[in-house]
Amino acid sequence: SQTIHQWPATLVQPVGSPLSLECTVEGTSNPNLYWYRQAAGRGLQLLFYSVGIGQISSEVPQNLSASRPQDRQFILSSKKLLLSDSGFYLCAWSRDGKETQYFGPGTRLLVL
Amino acid sequence: EDQVTQSPEALRLQEGESSSLNCSYTVSGLRGLFWYRQDPGKGPEFLFTLYSAGEEKEKERLKATLTKKESFLHITAPKPEDSATYLCAVQAPPGNTGKLIFGQGTTLQVKP
Repeated sequence: SQTIHQWPATLVQPVGSPLSLECTVEGTSNPNLYWYRQAAGRGLQLLFYSVGIGQISSEVPQNLSASRPQDRQFILSSKKLLLSDSGFYLCAWSRDGKETQYFGPGTRLLVL
Repeated sequence: EDQVTQSPEALRLQEGESSSLNCSYTVSGLRGLFWYRQDPGKGPEFLFTLYSAGEEKEKERLKATLTKKESFLHITAPKPEDSATYLCAVQAPPGNTGKLIFGQGTTLQVKP
């Protein structure tokens, strides 16, 4: 069976500091990978998606970037965090662009 | 513009009191409609996928239905453990990105 991991679970960072969130998927190969952000009391907003190693598409202009260095690894980064980057970050995977997306446990980020 | 609207925002039920959650959507070329359950501080858990008008799916006390403009999540004789936020999302062209457009969610509280 497939599992998806995210870490850290919780992160408190000062404004202006860098960020690296990691997501890994087990039990499948060549998945589509997604990063979402969920602001408090709001729906999920797609930030990035990837259909393969090194292939990243950005959905919204922002202070964040994503990379996919390995087939089942997806990383969300920032060079300098802003207060507005606070939120709940979710990674998801699917077998391809038409299939169901399955979500990880999420990372709670608080920027102070 | 593709859009998903869920109603009500919040719903309080007594244990055993059946009700329905609504998900209205406007999208050019629906590829799929997805229902997820999200517990506080956790990632969304997949419930159902519906692809065409008239389709229905059931799981325990939950039943999802789909028309050309909306989907309903019917909850029959709910229990306190059904308390959660229920998210609806639609998938639309173009391409094979798998991009999901989410509604804001309905937070359900079931009191014993």
